[in-house]
Amino acid sequence: AQTVTQSQPEMSVQEAETVTLSCTYDTSENNYYLFWYKQPPSRQMILVIRQEAYKQQNATENRFSVNFQKAAKSFSLKISDSQLGDTAMYFCAFMKQAPNSGYALNFGKGTSLLVTP
Amino acid sequence: GAGVSQSPRYKVAKRGQDVALRCDPISGHVSLFWYQQALGQGPEFLTYFQNEAQLDKSGLPSDRFFAERPEGSVSTLKIQRTQQEDSAVYLCASSQQGAGSGANVLTFGAGSRLTVL
Repeated sequence: AQTVTQSQPEMSVQEAETVTLSCTYDTSENNYYLFWYKQPPSRQMILVIRQEAYKQQNATENRFSVNFQKAAKSFSLKISDSQLGDTAMYFCAFMKQAPNSGYALNFGKGTSLLVTP
Repeated sequence: GAGVSQSPRYKVAKRGQDVALRCDPISGHVSLFWYQQALGQGPEFLTYFQNEAQLDKSGLPSDRFFAERPEGSVSTLKIQRTQQEDSAVYLCASSQQGAGSGANVLTFGAGSRLTVL
């Protein structure tokens, strides 16, 4: 089974600053996908960014980027120019890729991010 | 519809009661997932449907939990003889793709919060 570890239960950052959320995972798979989801107090999980393990280039979505280190099994999320609306729980998730599977997301326990004025 | 719709948003049940939680996925989405999210934790996989077929129910915690998707669209998660440990948010998610089709990007509903007294 795959495990996802988020070692920072809570983090705080000032508006306009940069923050990095860490995530490590454990798997014997070679092909898989990694995701960061955001869950605001409204509870709706929103996809922030995703990364295919076979791609060496780190994914980027506007102010959000990842540092994917496959050998180290590390997948950190960097949020630049933090905004008050970024306040939320952030979950790192793993999905394996295989025929007739690759559909169950395994989530970490989450990091609660607070952006302060 | 435009998003994944779940009802009820909140449900309070007395221990021993049966409950039914409904999920209306995005129209045309092949895959449907149920997750259980305990307070302060990441979501845990319960079960997966591809159209009307339940391909994986390995995450259902006991035989009191039952899910169905008879016509390949709306799904119902039923919990019989509820226990206090069943208190959680139940998240439904859907995806356009089927299993093993690639980076299965899930769209989540807002969840149903179940409280068992």
